[in-house]
Amino acid sequence: AQSVAQPEDQVNVAEGNPLTVKCTYSVSGNPYLFWYVQYPNRGLQFLLKYITGDNLVKGSYGFEAEFNKSQTSFHLKKPSALVSDSALYFCAVRDKSGANNLFFGTGTRLTVIP
Amino acid sequence: ETGVTQSPTHLIKTRGQQVTLRCSSQSGHNTVSWYQQALGQGPQFIFQYYREEENGRGNFPPRFSGLQFPNYSSELNVNALELDDSALYLCASSLDSSYNTPLHFGNGTRLTVT
Repeated sequence: AQSVAQPEDQVNVAEGNPLTVKCTYSVSGNPYLFWYVQYPNRGLQFLLKYITGDNLVKGSYGFEAEFNKSQTSFHLKKPSALVSDSALYFCAVRDKSGANNLFFGTGTRLTVIP
Repeated sequence: ETGVTQSPTHLIKTRGQQVTLRCSSQSGHNTVSWYQQALGQGPQFIFQYYREEENGRGNFPPRFSGLQFPNYSSELNVNALELDDSALYLCASSLDSSYNTPLHFGNGTRLTVT
C-alpha cells in the first residue's frame, strides 16, 4: 500500500533563507510523487512531480524537489523564501497500479517570517 | 482558460439529509476526481470518473455516489449525512486518467453537518 509522511506539522523560516519541507514515502514499485500547495480557503495547486529521470525536479514559483530513492524521500526546497510562500504544503504519491488517485500526506504549514 | 469550478462554496445540512455537490471540469479535461479534506488533514480520495464511468474508488461507503455528464462536469451525492461528513470537498479534473497527469483542483465546497 502507498503512503506518505510529512514529519513536520509546521515549518518556520525567515524571508530570504532557504526552505525545506520534508516528505518520505512508502510504495510498492516505482514511486510517482507530487507536491501541491494550498492557500487559505482555496483548492490545491500543483507545484511539481517526479516520475522518472533526474532526481532534482524543478517546478512552479521557484520550488524544486529532490528525489532520494535510498532514503525514500522527496523533500521540497526553495533557495530563498518569500512571505507569499506561506501556505499549507502537501506531498502525495500516485497509485499507478490501480485507480488514478493520489494519497496525500497530512500537510506541513510553512510560515515565512518577514 | 476556465479552471475547475465548484458549487456551492458553503453548505449547511442536518444529519440524515442528502446533499449534492457540483463540479465543472477545466476545459479539455475528461477526468474528474473527488476528495474529502477533513479539518487539519490531507485530502482523501473518494472516487474518480473517466468519460462518464467510475474509474476507481477510495475507502468510502456506498452512500457516497457520483455522476459524470457528457460535458465532463460531475456531481457528488452523499446520502444519510453524518456529523463526520463535515469537511471540504474538493473536485479535481485532469486531461486524462494517466498516472502522471497532474490534477487541477477547484476551491472546494465546505460542508457542515449539524
